[in-house]
Amino acid sequence: ETGVTQTPRHLVMGMTNKKSLKCEQHLGHNAMYWYKQSAKKPLELMFVYSLEERVENNSVPSRFSPECPNSSHLFLHLHTLQPEDSALYLCASSQEGTGLDEQFFGPGTRLTVL
Amino acid sequence: DQQVKQNSPSLSVQEGRISILNCDYTNSMFDYFLWYKKYPAEGPTFLISISSIKDKNEDGRFTVFLNKSAKHLSLHIVPSQPGDSAVYFCAARVSDGGYQKVTFGTGTKLQVIP
Repeated sequence: ETGVTQTPRHLVMGMTNKKSLKCEQHLGHNAMYWYKQSAKKPLELMFVYSLEERVENNSVPSRFSPECPNSSHLFLHLHTLQPEDSALYLCASSQEGTGLDEQFFGPGTRLTVL
Repeated sequence: DQQVKQNSPSLSVQEGRISILNCDYTNSMFDYFLWYKKYPAEGPTFLISISSIKDKNEDGRFTVFLNKSAKHLSLHIVPSQPGDSAVYFCAARVSDGGYQKVTFGTGTKLQVIP
């Protein structure tokens, strides 16, 4: 595997379900991000982990719970979601402190909440 | 309040001609600007960037221009090729505590007609 991978690619869940999204980066980066992309809206930053510590939580509802067990893996735990949470969830990674500025994105998980 | 705006949701250009994608921003603290390209079912990929201290950056067929006084940047693609058909996101960064805080626009869908 290369780059940033995300599983599952598609997820349909009911409002009472609990599920998790997984992201893995194979680039040796030290920062990872969760973004939400809803239709006709810009990518919204949800969480940032730098050196495995959460450094940003953009006022995201508590029904979204991130976990970063190590620098290569990032999870987004979901519970009691609402239909308006249906969106594309993108994971990204970057190498902070090198002057390189781009983030590398995974393909995303298309989430539908019924 | 949207700090990065892409006012054209779509653009069609003939193959071989120039494509110009525009982006406006409101936050004077942005110190770096990036363009990402996204194909369907894939995550965004980094294309080109420009520091706020420059007014032009060129990479092959892609050139980004920055007009700080107008808070405007544009991406020029010349000559345009059918493979350039994708959604292009403008993004702007504020350096904050050693990690990237990137704000994205809503994207412009470019179609290059053969």
